[in-house]
Order: sequence, then structure tokens, then C-alpha cells
Amino acid sequence: GAVVSQHPSWVICKSGTSVKIECRSLDFQATTMFWYRQFPKQSLMLMATSNEGSKATYEQGVEKDKFLINHASLTLSTLTVTSAHPEDSSFYICSANDRDNSPLHFGNGTRLTVT
Amino acid sequence: GEDVEQSLFLSVREGDSSVINCTYTDSSSTYLYWYKQEPGAGLQLLTYIFSNMDMKQDQRLTVLLNKKDKHLSLRIADTQTGDSAIYFCAESSRYSSASKIIFGSGTRLSIRP
Repeated sequence: GAVVSQHPSWVICKSGTSVKIECRSLDFQATTMFWYRQFPKQSLMLMATSNEGSKATYEQGVEKDKFLINHASLTLSTLTVTSAHPEDSSFYICSANDRDNSPLHFGNGTRLTVT
Repeated sequence: GEDVEQSLFLSVREGDSSVINCTYTDSSSTYLYWYKQEPGAGLQLLTYIFSNMDMKQDQRLTVLLNKKDKHLSLRIADTQTGDSAIYFCAESSRYSSASKIIFGSGTRLSIRP
């Protein structure tokens, strides 16, 4: 089945630094990938839709300049949390589907802790 | 707007069946999903059902869909300790892109000996 790989699994960084999270589709091409954020004991919140070769589509309330998304190839999307602050600490998860209207497959998530 | 609701907690005895319930509001839902999330991990797609189906069975998992009542359930037979996790119900509609998959709040399943 379709596999989505996310890296790193966890990262600790200092306030003011930037962190890049990678999301790869391992055995399929994904023109669209999705980035979610999950707070403890809560459901997933869609942050943005990453489109290969074009700008990402952000959900209302998500800062584009804060969460930079780059979808440079059909198998890789990156999320960069710029100038991270403690309130950015969260669990970030990416997903993709291998064809239109097929179920989403998720990466294992990245736990970001900003100190 | 669309909404998906599920109870927050369920506790069952090892070996019993677990039934996790979910209700949704979008009458145009096309796909309904069950995802499993273990601690510190991403979401694992357990199973999904098309809206024109009533039931789907896959080994220990049985999904029942009552489209009239907009009610979805997941039954796990012979529940084991490895089934401890959060289970998310989700739905998407043919009228929206896959990005508009709507998740419930998740049901935390705990297994007692």
C-alpha cells in the first residue's frame, strides 16, 4: 500500500530558530500533500494543502509566512516553521493520497518542541 | 458546516468486542474512514467504506453504516491490548477535495484485563 514517510520524528529547537519537516511519498507520486497540526488530546487541524509546482493553499488562520511549504517534486513536500516560538510546539502530520478520491495515508508525525 | 462527532473514551475488557460509534452531518458524504493513532505516532488507515455500502468486514474489524441516521460504527472483535489507541472517524464528500476530510475528535480505547 501507499507509504508516507515523515522526517524527523521529533525535534527540539530554541526560540527564534527555524525547523524543516519533510514529507515523502515512498511508492507513489503525490501532486497534493496535506499538512495537519495536532494539539494534545485533540483532533487534527488541517493547516495547508501543498501543491506540486505551485503555491500552497493555507487554511484560514494559518500564517503563510510562519509555516512555509515547498512542494518541489512529486514525492516531497517540506514544512518549515520559521522563527519558532514555544506556542508552535505541537505534533505535525502530513498526508497524501495516491490517486484522486482515495483515502489519505499519513506520515508518522513530527513532534516539535520549542524551548 | 460539516461535523463529525464521537465519544471521547471507551473501556473494554480484553477479549470482548469494542464498538466505537460516530455520527456525521454531511449528507453528501461519499467516503467514511476509520483511522487508528497509537501514542506518539501518525494515523494509520484501518478501513473505509463508501456511502453506498451498509457494511464492510475485514478480519476483526466490522464497519456498519446507517446512512439514514448518518451513523457509522467500528466493531473490533476479540479486543487485544494492542488495540489500545485513539480511533478517529472521518468523512469526505465528492463535492469537496480530499483536503476537506473532516475528522472527529477521536475515541480513546483502553483495554482492561
